[in-house]
Amino acid sequence: NAGVTQTPKFRILKIGQSMTLQCTQDMNHNYMYWYRQDPGMGLKLIYYSVGAGITDKGEVPNGYNVSRSTTEDFPLRLELAAPSQTSVYFCASSYSRHRTEAFFGQGTRLTVV
Amino acid sequence: RKEVEQDPGPFNVPEGATVAFNCTYSNSASQSFFWYRQDCRKEPKLLMSVYSSGNEDGRFTAQLNRASQYISLLIRDSKLSDSATYLCVVNMAQGGSEKLVFGKGTKLTVNP
Repeated sequence: NAGVTQTPKFRILKIGQSMTLQCTQDMNHNYMYWYRQDPGMGLKLIYYSVGAGITDKGEVPNGYNVSRSTTEDFPLRLELAAPSQTSVYFCASSYSRHRTEAFFGQGTRLTVV
Repeated sequence: RKEVEQDPGPFNVPEGATVAFNCTYSNSASQSFFWYRQDCRKEPKLLMSVYSSGNEDGRFTAQLNRASQYISLLIRDSKLSDSATYLCVVNMAQGGSEKLVFGKGTKLTVNP
């Protein structure tokens, strides 16, 4: 019962460093999403994908990149980390447009110092 | 207008109280609606989908008003374990695909 798995769970980055947040799902879902959640705030969509090879920007894509080479994996890349990217990052997946219940990973808590 | 707007809260209620949350959405073409629950420092989890005719799951009742673009969640006989943040979620069409848009959430604290 893996569902959506995110790694790492915690990370501290220095300003200007880069990293990749990993996300994988084993439910054969077409749709995958990356959200960030700042303290006391709602979820903001960074990027999403409707299938392998197809990605699109969400509300706050600046400073991030994604790729979707397989159905299972949807990594999020941070280039040149900034303190404003300190947040909790959630990956989610859903089956299709008609079955859009989203399942979330446990989140990655990222601090940029 | 924001895509999904919720009551700002927070709500503090005694055990046994009935509490209602409201949510409005901007895209009249939206087809799917949900309420999620998020516990402190945890990931969101689906509480219930919202159907056009309204639906009930135990102490929880969800309503949808398409004409007013309005969704509600009613919790009856509140329990301490209901304390969480409740997120209104709308599936919105965008350029041939769809995306899930979350409201900021309404925090509920149920007190003994």
